[in-house]
Amino acid sequence: EVQLVQSGAEVKEPGESLKISCKGSGYSFTTFYLAWVRQKPGKGLEWMGVIYPDDSDTRYSPSFQGQVTISADKSISTAYLQWSSLKASDTAMYYCASADTAILSELESWGLGTQVTVSS
Amino acid sequence: QSVLTQPPSASGTPGQRVTISCSGSSSNIGNNYVNWYQQLPGTAPKLLIYRNNQRPSGVPDRFSGSKSGTSASLAISGLRSEDEADYYCGAWDDSLSVVAFGGGTKVTAL
Repeated sequence: EVQLVQSGAEVKEPGESLKISCKGSGYSFTTFYLAWVRQKPGKGLEWMGVIYPDDSDTRYSPSFQGQVTISADKSISTAYLQWSSLKASDTAMYYCASADTAILSELESWGLGTQVTVSS
Repeated sequence: QSVLTQPPSASGTPGQRVTISCSGSSSNIGNNYVNWYQQLPGTAPKLLIYRNNQRPSGVPDRFSGSKSGTSASLAISGLRSEDEADYYCGAWDDSLSVVAFGGGTKVTAL
């Protein structure tokens, strides 16, 4: 059974850096695509980007390119989403989700989410 | 403004059939598979329908999906109170090179 375990909630101040994680188990981590999806409070889903852990090939949504960094460490089956300088507008729930085919919109398994709150 | 267009809400009495539409274009729905996600209150989304009309194991057969041209729809036959949730359509968009989601439809059982 595919399981994606995300790191815990974070409260940060504007300008701070942050790296959240998503650990996969129960499947071949390197051969599934791993995506990040943002959901702002009371709003819909936004696809941020995806990584293929086997070769770290990464694609970003133009809306998030340059704003975040997606990475993975296949030795510990973990993917990351990173900010270098948070803004209040980054306050949201962030989900990781896996796709076992190149149909990137077919997100079969989801983590429980990591709540990120950015406030001074 | 979402690339895929869904009605913000839909409702029905228990046992009724409820249908949710998802409208797109040739660069997304018209040329790619549509997937549907269910998000129960306070939980993570869950894949409900994949590749236009396929149900993952464990999804009740009262949920069905269809696609025609640049539109897709999700039908819930025999609505139950536990089906109250937000439903999102999603598809790859060839022009934007993103997974596009609809804005979501909140389903209420009256």
